[in-house]
Amino acid sequence: DTGVSQDPRHKITKRGQNVTFRCDPISEHNRLYWYRQTLGQGPEFLTYFQNEAQLEKSRLLSDRFSAERPKGSFSTLEIQRTEQGDSAMYLCASSLAGNQQYFGPGTRLTVT
Amino acid sequence: DAKTTQPPSMDCAEGRAANLPCNHSTISGNEYVYWYRQIHSQGPQYIIHGLKNNETNEMASLIITEDRKSSTLILPHATLRDTAVYYCIVRLMGSGGSNYKLTFGKGTLLTVNP
Repeated sequence: DTGVSQDPRHKITKRGQNVTFRCDPISEHNRLYWYRQTLGQGPEFLTYFQNEAQLEKSRLLSDRFSAERPKGSFSTLEIQRTEQGDSAMYLCASSLAGNQQYFGPGTRLTVT
Repeated sequence: DAKTTQPPSMDCAEGRAANLPCNHSTISGNEYVYWYRQIHSQGPQYIIHGLKNNETNEMASLIITEDRKSSTLILPHATLRDTAVYYCIVRLMGSGGSNYKLTFGKGTLLTVNP
């Protein structure tokens, strides 16, 4: 069990640029989740996949955000035309069905 | 999911037991109590969960009151590395329905002092 990994760990970008984050879940976990966490707050749910199907998206996920999980393995989260308000920690988690979720270390995004 | 209420912060001396309370008075019969913690700049870490019986694992013990309206997470011998934000979360269990997400509050910042 190598745990959930995320790449990159830190990303600094200029407003208006596009960024993409990657998450590799624990192998054999069929569910994958994305959360966002801003300073002083708990993580907030963004979206989740069961295998390759994206089953739920939060209202927090604007049209500038898109997530994919091709082949039901790793997942990517892309933010287009970044805004300063997108600055946050983006967390990925995985689980086997509805069991406990295991989180990765997160990607910290800073939009300047 | 039922809402939870936790104190914003607590202190504990190293080597002593840390008892973190959580109120979840609107919990329903098929909802579990989960505890996660988040050490600074890391992702949340699963600690323990339970339905109505007390639970214990290598990290902590979970005590749930008989009416299930509150619970306490116990770290029996707190160390400096236990300093973290602790989140109490109520969620449905099982593979289907709306149990796909965790709803985090602000949690309790536990500071373990030397």
